Amino acid sequence: AQTVTQSQPEMSVQEAETVTLSCTYDTSESDYYLFWYKQPPSRQMILVIRQEAYKQQNATENRFSVNFQKAAKSFSLKISDSQLGDAAMYFCAYGGSQGNLIFGKGTKLSVKP
Amino acid sequence: GAVVSQHPSRVICKSGTSVKIECRSLDFQATTMFWYRQFPKQSLMLMATSNEGSKATYEQGVEKDKFLINHASLTLSTLTVTSAHPEDSSFYICSARDQRGGLGGFFGQGTRLTVV
Repeated sequence: AQTVTQSQPEMSVQEAETVTLSCTYDTSESDYYLFWYKQPPSRQMILVIRQEAYKQQNATENRFSVNFQKAAKSFSLKISDSQLGDAAMYFCAYGGSQGNLIFGKGTKLSVKP
Repeated sequence: GAVVSQHPSRVICKSGTSVKIECRSLDFQATTMFWYRQFPKQSLMLMATSNEGSKATYEQGVEKDKFLINHASLTLSTLTVTSAHPEDSSFYICSARDQRGGLGGFFGQGTRLTVV
């Protein structure tokens, strides 16, 4: 069975600084996707970034980028130039052959002005 | 992008009654929908997988007779919480997967259920 581990329950960053959220996963599948979702207090799940396992190039979306290390089964999220609106819960998720997503326990990110 | 609409966003019901939650894919046909449950300060846990025109597949520990899932069309799946009890109070959220086989990563807004 696949598992996703987020070892940082809480993180804090100064506005305009950079922060990295960690995620590791375990799977025996060769074809899969990895995701980072943001969940603000409204609880809407907002897709931040997605990475296909077969792609070696790390995904990037504006201020958000990932460091995907397939051999190490690591998938960290880097947020550059942090903004107050980035404060939220961040979930790392694995998507495999079944189509559903398996989530980590989440990291609560605080942004200090 | 793909849009999934979930309704209602918030519902309060009396213990012993049933509540229906709808999940609609607005601009694509969803062959498969997923229902998750999220307790406060916890992660999302998959409850069941709903396939259009067939019976839902439930995760271990999820009571299929309590959580009835119907996926009668390619754009609508419903979750009915039957004979609700206070311990069923939670945040329920659906996601949808389209016919091209894209991953079920399009989420509805979620439903906060409170059973009193």
